[in-house]
Amino acid sequence: AAGVIQSPRHLIKEKRETATLKCYPIPRHDTVYWYQQGPGQDPQFLISFYEKMQSDKGSIPDRFSAQQFSDYHSELNMSSLELGDSALYFCASSLGSSWGAGEKLFFGSGTQLSVL
Amino acid sequence: AQTVTQSQPEMSVQEAETVTLSCTYDTSENNYYLFWYKQPPSRQMILVIRQEAYKQQNATENRFSVNFQKAAKSFSLKISDSQLGDTAMYFCALTQGNLIFGKGTKLSVKP
Repeated sequence: AAGVIQSPRHLIKEKRETATLKCYPIPRHDTVYWYQQGPGQDPQFLISFYEKMQSDKGSIPDRFSAQQFSDYHSELNMSSLELGDSALYFCASSLGSSWGAGEKLFFGSGTQLSVL
Repeated sequence: AQTVTQSQPEMSVQEAETVTLSCTYDTSENNYYLFWYKQPPSRQMILVIRQEAYKQQNATENRFSVNFQKAAKSFSLKISDSQLGDTAMYFCALTQGNLIFGKGTKLSVKP
């Protein structure tokens, strides 16, 4: 079965550079979530989209932005990168806006971002 | 605010034995869902089990089962017949439009 695809798997950037992470949800899934997991930490919610509109916002820095496109894939854009942005970035997808009704959330394998 | 607390940073168990991971949570919602996710060294997040708060019956998935105590806001995970492949970080999570995770419990299964 198709899963959530994230690219790239690994990314190395210098401080103050920009980065773009991509997420392709499971086919027919219309909701995408982004999470940030620092070393030894639990995942922290950044932002989510439903039907190409932002549906919820968490602890996403102003330097970051994201969007969901017409094919439902999503991109997380990160600018002015800082050392503290080094983390594993997960994308997850689900079907429908009824996430609060307990739809299962499926995670991609993550993008490991290292800022040097 | 919704919170999820896992009080056991690390646990270990012998292969084939049973282990229970603890989780408590707080929410003002009446209808919600609870989850256990497994994160092995590959760091992939894998759904282990899901519990619907309005269901009294505890969820079971093969060797994994939960003890859901709604009044006590407790949601523990029991792993029976532990296998070496169960070695992973286990996260308890609660829905709030998005998932709120606990800090995780690192489980080591020893041969």
